[in-house]
Amino acid sequence: EPEVTQTPSHQVTQMGQEVILRCVPISNHLYFYWYRQILGQKVEFLVSFYNNEISEKSEIFDDQFSVERPDGSNFTLKIRSTKLEDSAMYFCASSENSGGFGGELFFGEGSRLTVL
Amino acid sequence: GESVGLHLPTLSVQEGDNSIINCAYSNSASDYFIWYKQESGKGPQFIIDIRSNMDKRQGQRVTVLLNKTVKHLSLQIAATQPGDSAVYFCAENEAAGNKLTFGGGTRVLVKP
Repeated sequence: EPEVTQTPSHQVTQMGQEVILRCVPISNHLYFYWYRQILGQKVEFLVSFYNNEISEKSEIFDDQFSVERPDGSNFTLKIRSTKLEDSAMYFCASSENSGGFGGELFFGEGSRLTVL
Repeated sequence: GESVGLHLPTLSVQEGDNSIINCAYSNSASDYFIWYKQESGKGPQFIIDIRSNMDKRQGQRVTVLLNKTVKHLSLQIAATQPGDSAVYFCAENEAAGNKLTFGGGTRVLVKP
């Protein structure tokens, strides 16, 4: 069964460092997403991406965050200067359609980011 | 997974019994609702979805009920099995948007 894969599974970084989280969405999917989940809290939307541009982003997704699809298979989330409060599990997701009814989101297993 | 939290409501159910998980949503503009299951160390996994013009939808062993009047969503799991032990999240999507808003999650523990 096709799946979304994410790397690394766990990254520990120092505050102020740049981090890149990588995702390989399902190959025929056109819509890509990043969500995050701080320990013990809800899953929160960060950003959606379609046709090589951001289609929607949340208040969390400030200037420190960026996304990129550098080639035909990868989708990355970059945090330029990490803060302690960026520590969370980051989930990548993809969908064939626009995420409404019939556009089921498939999530990866997450990348845990720990900022020290 | 990172859905593990100290303050998640927990539903303990005997194996073979039916489970009902409830969710309240607040956005009256939401027109699409989904239930996700999250097992330890894994990402959310789609279970079933429902559109706002429906009040009930059935899948394999699962039923989702939507009451738009009171903004309430429920997930019923028939004949709960040990493999159903997980955290369950409801999520909603606005018609004009392309993002899911997740609820806080309910932990289901299936007792053998």
